Amino acid sequence: QLQLVESGGGLVRPGGSLRLSCTASHFSFSDSYMSWIRQTPGGGLEWVSFIGSSGLYTSSAHSVKGRFTTSRDNAKNSLYLDMTSLRIEDTALYYCARHKLENDPFDVWGRGTVVTVSS
Amino acid sequence: QSALTQPPSVSGTPGQRVTISCSGSRSNIGGNPVNWYKQLPRTPPTLLIYNDYRRPTLVPDRFSGSRSGTSASLAISGLDSEDEATYFCGAWDVNVNGWVFGGGTRLTVL
Repeated sequence: QLQLVESGGGLVRPGGSLRLSCTASHFSFSDSYMSWIRQTPGGGLEWVSFIGSSGLYTSSAHSVKGRFTTSRDNAKNSLYLDMTSLRIEDTALYYCARHKLENDPFDVWGRGTVVTVSS
Repeated sequence: QSALTQPPSVSGTPGQRVTISCSGSRSNIGGNPVNWYKQLPRTPPTLLIYNDYRRPTLVPDRFSGSRSGTSASLAISGLDSEDEATYFCGAWDVNVNGWVFGGGTRLTVL
């Protein structure tokens, strides 16, 4: 079945960095837009960023702009989120999700990876 | 503070019909379709309704969606215990150039 698996989460100090990865299987990754979405400890969902199918087009939420970078390697069916200058409020469960086009719905989600920013 | 506003909780008894509202603005719901996601505890969200009212394969027709102006709603009829979950609405926002979500509505089946 269509699958997304995230990895790379962990505990990091404020101001630190972390790289998340998401590996796709059983669908045409290179034809899909991909997003990162996070779920805060309070339970709310926040869209973080998306990247176009070729990797040339990205967009990110104001709260992470300039600190987080989204990239992909279609040869490896992989999506990445490079997070720098991490803040306590970045603590969340980070999901990767597929959408066919820019503003299409998220039809495949991974199980997420936890990022905890704490001193 | 979420960009879209949902009630924190709703409840109903088995067999009943409940609705969940989602209120936004012209930059999101006012000009773009709404999607709904269902989330069971300790699992990722799954797509429930897309493009306002369309249902993915395998989603029963007990679930329906609608949009009018800057608001949308999800209706669940013939309530069942398996419907107990948190429901999120989401829409594209042209000001964000990305997605916005509601805060989620926890449905309890009494």
